[in-house]
Amino acid sequence: GENVEQHPSTLSVQEGDSAVIKCTYSDSASNYFPWYKQELGKGPQLIIDIRSNVGEKKDQRIAVTLNKTAKHFSLHITETQPEDSAVYFCAANSGYSTLTFGKGTMLLVSP
Amino acid sequence: DADVTQTPRNRITKTGKRIMLECSQTKGHDRMYWYRQDPGLGLRLIYYSFDVKDINKGEISDGYSVSRQAQAKFSLSLESAIPNQTALYFCATSDLTQGKQFFGPGTRLTVL
Repeated sequence: GENVEQHPSTLSVQEGDSAVIKCTYSDSASNYFPWYKQELGKGPQLIIDIRSNVGEKKDQRIAVTLNKTAKHFSLHITETQPEDSAVYFCAANSGYSTLTFGKGTMLLVSP
Repeated sequence: DADVTQTPRNRITKTGKRIMLECSQTKGHDRMYWYRQDPGLGLRLIYYSFDVKDINKGEISDGYSVSRQAQAKFSLSLESAIPNQTALYFCATSDLTQGKQFFGPGTRLTVL
């Protein structure tokens, strides 16, 4: 089955800095890679996703890049703000539209 | 996501008790999922269902069972709860075409 590794497990940045979270996957058949943000006491919320037919996707301050050859994908957050503080999860699809998740990255943005 | 609701939101129970967690959705999605979240372990799939007559085991199904009562309802049961089932439980839904999964607010379960 699919295996997704996520790094780092914790990330501290100053407000205004950029943050990068990286994930690798094992199954070359995976073709859908979503990112979720989980705030304290809430369920994970989809913030951006990318499919294997594109290499990069942007949505305002958030971007995701995908390298199919190396089987890794990354989340980039620019101009970080305190409200970006949360746990972020990457995932990759496996089999019939199930998702395998990374273990999460706790992002702390200090004012 | 308010379109996916879970009840109860918090539950404390004792070892050996039977517990049912319920999930309802108004998104009209065919696919529903149950996940467990433990600190440092991410989200792990327990069971999933692609329609009312379809039930599939996920990565960690032992000790759990599910029921898909209708397109909009998917319940998770712990037949005899044990302390290591203490965790956050999330329900999610997705549609057939996009595959995007939308999560409920979660149930915090504590087994004493």
